[in-house]
Amino acid sequence: GQQLNQSPQSMFIQEGEDVSMNCTSSSIFNTWLWYKQDPGEGPVLLIALYKAGELTSNGRLTAQFGITRKDSFLNISASIPSDVGIYFCAGQPTTPLVFGKGTRLSVIA
Amino acid sequence: DAGVIQSPRHEVTEMGQEVTLRCKPISGHDYLFWYRQTMMRGLELLIYFNNNVPIDDSGMPEDRFSAKMPNASFSTLKIQPSEPRDSAVYFCAITTGYAGELFFGEGSRLTVL
Repeated sequence: GQQLNQSPQSMFIQEGEDVSMNCTSSSIFNTWLWYKQDPGEGPVLLIALYKAGELTSNGRLTAQFGITRKDSFLNISASIPSDVGIYFCAGQPTTPLVFGKGTRLSVIA
Repeated sequence: DAGVIQSPRHEVTEMGQEVTLRCKPISGHDYLFWYRQTMMRGLELLIYFNNNVPIDDSGMPEDRFSAKMPNASFSTLKIQPSEPRDSAVYFCAITTGYAGELFFGEGSRLTVL
């Protein structure tokens, strides 16, 4: 089956710093999505990407669908304490979604 | 707004007991998914339904697990008998429209002693 490799597994950053995380797959995906999970909650959709090369922003978040359709990255600019959580990439060759293992982000004030 | 209500939020039970987790979509949807989350394995898809019909249950770990969706507004995931290794957070998620954009419930945290 499809595998997603998400990196890094965890990050500790200072408030105000920029963050970058990425995801690669062993096969081509038609859709890439990024979710965030706050402690004790379910994942919430941040950004959805549908076309190779697509670059989409949502506030301080920017994500891109790689040209090869096998990768995606998520950037967070000027991190704040509420950015803490687990960020998941997810890809869709066909239904259902395949999820990465997540990047756990900690922000030090 | 799309939404899913899961119950119970927390359940602690003893090995061998039956566990029933519930999911109530509060908006329209085409697909309903059950996921399990653990530190070691991340988010694992257990089973999903399309228009209340089970499509793929290959992720259900054993015959001890079963899921039903009697109507569009209700689904259950049952574990009988439960074992300590079943301890995890179980999520229900739905899609409204495009299958990739999932809306998750808050999860049911299960602890089997």
